[in-house]
Amino acid sequence: EPEVTQTPSHQVTQMGQEVILRCVPISNHLYFYWYRQILGQKVEFLVSFYNNEISEKSEIFDDQFSVERPDGSNFTLKIRSTKLEDSAMYFCASIPGLYNSPLHFGNGTRLTVT
Amino acid sequence: ELKVEQNPLFLSMQEGKNYTIYCNYSTTSDRLYWYRQDPGKSLESLFVLLSNGAVKQEGRLMASLDTKARLSTLHITAAVHDLSATYFCARGGGADGLTFGKGTHLIIQP
Repeated sequence: EPEVTQTPSHQVTQMGQEVILRCVPISNHLYFYWYRQILGQKVEFLVSFYNNEISEKSEIFDDQFSVERPDGSNFTLKIRSTKLEDSAMYFCASIPGLYNSPLHFGNGTRLTVT
Repeated sequence: ELKVEQNPLFLSMQEGKNYTIYCNYSTTSDRLYWYRQDPGKSLESLFVLLSNGAVKQEGRLMASLDTKARLSTLHITAAVHDLSATYFCARGGGADGLTFGKGTHLIIQP
């Protein structure tokens, strides 16, 4: 069964550094998402992406965050200047269409900001 | 603003027992999702409930949706240790993404 793949599985970075988290959504899917989960807490929506542009974004997704689909397969989340509170698990997800399909989640990238 | 509340947030139960996890949400919308998450792992889709009165079953898990009461339930029948996990309900979807509950951390003891 096709999977959403994310790399790296774990990223450690120093505060103030830029990080790029990478995702390869399922190939025939059209809608892509990033979510984050702070350890032991609930899963929070960051951003949705369709047709090479952001569809919706949450309050969490401020100017420090950006997303890109640079080459038709990868879907990236960039954090420009990381803060301690950015430490979390970041999940990429995709769906084939907007209606009724459950999100297919990747295995996540654990980001640790020191 | 859509709010999703689950209870209980933590549940310890014995194998063989039955129990129900509740998911209340604040605004009307279609689509209610249940996900399972094992420690340190991704979220696995369990059920998608699309309309009032929808009931879906998979093994020892059964989910239902009452849109009038804004309530979904996840019922566990004759629990086994393998069902130990965190269970999330979520509403919404589409471009706005999903709003998740805080999750129910379920431990099933032999």
